[in-house]
Amino acid sequence: KAGVTQTPRYLIKTRGQQVTLSCSPISGHRSVSWYQQTPGQGLQFLFEYFSETQRNKGNFPGRFSGRQFSNSRSEMNVSTLELGDSALYLCASSLINPVDLARETQYFGPGTRLLVL
Amino acid sequence: AQKITQTQPGMFVQEKEAVTLDCTYDTSDQSYGLFWYKQPSSGEMIFLIYQGSYDEQNATEGRYSLNFQKARKSANLVISASQLGDSAMYFCAMRENSGGGADGLTFGKGTHLIIQP
Repeated sequence: KAGVTQTPRYLIKTRGQQVTLSCSPISGHRSVSWYQQTPGQGLQFLFEYFSETQRNKGNFPGRFSGRQFSNSRSEMNVSTLELGDSALYLCASSLINPVDLARETQYFGPGTRLLVL
Repeated sequence: AQKITQTQPGMFVQEKEAVTLDCTYDTSDQSYGLFWYKQPSSGEMIFLIYQGSYDEQNATEGRYSLNFQKARKSANLVISASQLGDSAMYFCAMRENSGGGADGLTFGKGTHLIIQP
């Protein structure tokens, strides 16, 4: 079974621009989560989508947004890029466990490395 | 207060030795999940092992085992017979069940493990 795929793998943008990152989950996985990883802040949860609805959201400004499509593929968008948005953006997918959500194991993609100049 | 604490920023271990990576966590939830991930220099997060808060047995996955001490709120990863390919960053993470749904994963700052021949 193919793993989580993310495109593009590398991206260079300038301040003020916007960027869209894409994530395709493992086949059959309907939940997609996004994380930002930086040397200073470590790994931080951005948001999670399930059935095209945002299920959870981390503590990020409104410049960060996402969506999920009917085929479970997800995109995240960052508008008005800042230098501090340079990071590795990781997408993860999981099966849904309606009985115990904390048991849902998330499987990660290779990430998109974003550099903002 | 940090929810996940990994006190070992870096570790050097001789090949074939066993290694224990420390992780303590903080939560008031009764239901939560604990996860360990490996991140090689390529950046992809690789799922290693899961422990549920209600699981009475310590989790094991091949050479990986989790030493779960609930009263002490610790979830240490044990790697038996370490190999050169085990050199990577290791992250402990927790997912709590919040009202209406689980939060995203909360990660520790990681331990950089280097296996020496």
